[in-house]
Amino acid sequence: QVQLMQSGAEVKKPGSSVKVSCKASGGTFGSYAITWMRQAPGQGLEWMGGIIPVLARANYAQKFQGRVTITTDESTTTAYMELSSLGFDDTAVYYCARDRYFDSSGDYYESGYWGQGTLVTVSS
Amino acid sequence: ESVLTQSPGTLSLSPGERATLSCRASQDIRTYHLAWYQQKPGQAPRLLIYATSSRATGIPDRFSGSGSGTDFTLTISRLEPEDFAVYYCQHYGRSPLTFGGGTKVEIK
Repeated sequence: QVQLMQSGAEVKKPGSSVKVSCKASGGTFGSYAITWMRQAPGQGLEWMGGIIPVLARANYAQKFQGRVTITTDESTTTAYMELSSLGFDDTAVYYCARDRYFDSSGDYYESGYWGQGTLVTVSS
Repeated sequence: ESVLTQSPGTLSLSPGERATLSCRASQDIRTYHLAWYQQKPGQAPRLLIYATSSRATGIPDRFSGSGSGTDFTLTISRLEPEDFAVYYCQHYGRSPLTFGGGTKVEIK
């Protein structure tokens, strides 16, 4: 049974950075893409980026390019998302998710497994 | 990048009724790259449908997906009380992935 456990809620100052972790258990960690989404209060889902560990390649939404870094540590089966230069509009619940399927194409697939979400609040 | 537009924004129905949710893409997308998720308040989204019409594990058969090209549909044949939630479509495959804005199915 695949489970994703995210780190706890964070309160950050504007201009600072936040790093959210996502520890995976069950399944084969390196083979499946991990993606990060966020959801601002009362809003919809927004894809931020993803990483395919076995291909050692990360992709980012243009909106977050230069501000987000997604990494993985296969030794601890943990993925990380770091977002810098935080503004008030970065206040959101951040989710990690793992693809349900993997092939060698480098494509991302549907997110079959989700973390519980991490609330990041940006406040002065 | 394919922009996904969901309609209606809110659907007010009674238990037992049929729900039809639409997801329109700004360009043709492959049918095996379209998914639907359900999200309830305070919870993470849950995968319902992938590859346009395949139900995820444990999803009841009252949920079905269809469509091709730019027009996709999620149908809930008979609404159960637990089905009142927000539903999102997603295009996946090559980066960037995109989500529709969501359709809220509420109790009438």
